[in-house]
Order: sequence, then C-alpha cells, then structure tokens
Amino acid sequence: GAGVSQSPSNKVTEKGKDVELRCDPISGHTALYWYRQRLGQGLEFLIYFQGNSAPDKSGLPSDRFSAERTGESVSTLTIQRTQQEDSAVYLCASSLAFTGVRGAQHFGDGTRLSIL
Amino acid sequence: QKEVEQDPGPLSVPEGAIVSLNCTYSNSAFQYFMWYRQYSRKGPELLMYTYSSGNKEDGRFTAQVDKSSKYISLFIRDSQPSDSATYLCAMSGSSNTGKLIFGQGTTLQVKP
Repeated sequence: GAGVSQSPSNKVTEKGKDVELRCDPISGHTALYWYRQRLGQGLEFLIYFQGNSAPDKSGLPSDRFSAERTGESVSTLTIQRTQQEDSAVYLCASSLAFTGVRGAQHFGDGTRLSIL
Repeated sequence: QKEVEQDPGPLSVPEGAIVSLNCTYSNSAFQYFMWYRQYSRKGPELLMYTYSSGNKEDGRFTAQVDKSSKYISLFIRDSQPSDSATYLCAMSGSSNTGKLIFGQGTTLQVKP
C-alpha cells in the first residue's frame, strides 16, 4: 500500500519568501507528525496532530512556523519569511494510534528545503 | 546535555561482522524505544520497536533495552553491504504524547 507521501521533494527559495510543504499520511492513520533534520543531525520534533485534539506545537522553533491538518488527511507546514537557518530536510510521519505498537511512526522521504 | 546521546561514527566493518550500535539517555520517563534505518536521501525506516526493558529479536537484528542503565543497543548479525546506512535510535515517554526524541544517528559502512 501507499506510504507517507511528501511534496515537493526538493524546494529552493530565496531568503524572505514563504514556503508551504505538504504531507499525505497513510490512509487510516490518526496521528501525524512533523520533524526537521539538519545535515548530519538526528530528527528534531516540530508538531503533531492526533485526531480532533489540539495539536502539540511545542517543537515549533518560532512563530514563522505553522501547520494545519484537515481531519485525518493532508497536512501542510508553512514557513514564513524564510531564513538560511531554515535549510533542512522536513520529514512527516504518521501512525495508526498514539501508543503501543500501533503508535509506531512511519516516515515519508521528506522535503529538502534550501534557502539561498 | 542532550536527552539522547549516540556516537555518530562513522563505523566501518567487514561483511559478516557483528555490529553493535548504542544510545544512552537521561530521561527515566522514556518507555518506548525504537531503531530506525535511514538510507541516503530517504526517510527513516522503522526496524525495531520495544517497550520497556528486555530483548527483542527480528531476523539478523536484536534490540536490547536496559532501563536501569538508561542504555539501548541494536545488534546486527552477519552484516551485509546493504546494511550500510545511518541508524537512528528514538524514544518516547508517557502514553499521552507520541513525540519522539532522536539520537544523532550512527553512520555504518559494511565493506564487501
């Protein structure tokens, strides 16, 4: 079956521009997560959505970052007024449930964002 | 100090060797422990998922968790060139959050 799909796979933009990244989770997965991975680093949590509960935004690095999710489907991560330090791979993951084996997160291949 | 520490390597071994990858952590609330494999320019792929202390085996892979020492390991037996990748440990705590805390990742190269 289809895995987590992210688009675009690559994005190059100028400093100061806004960017929007898209994530299509695995069908039926109620939880969706965004992470950031800087070059040579582990993943850094940004935000997650679980059903109709309020999202956990505790990992968003600044108010330039925001994310939305429509029901249990597509999510978009928006970065406004991009800075060079925003250059990274942005990864999306989804899981069937919140905890236990059903809480295991499955990742897309990410969007590689480069800010010139 | 980072919550999860992982030696970045790189680690280079000959084909057929036993590989040991490790992470230490500081937060005693962590209960769920995972190992992911990440190939270049790909997303992380879940290899092992363990709850609390103990061992779990899946084919050539064995995951160990020692909560008393705050130490987790992944062993790869009969390593293959196709195992060459970055291995990331990840963990999470109580049941009311799915947020994962990742180690930096260890780059492994298995030479034919």
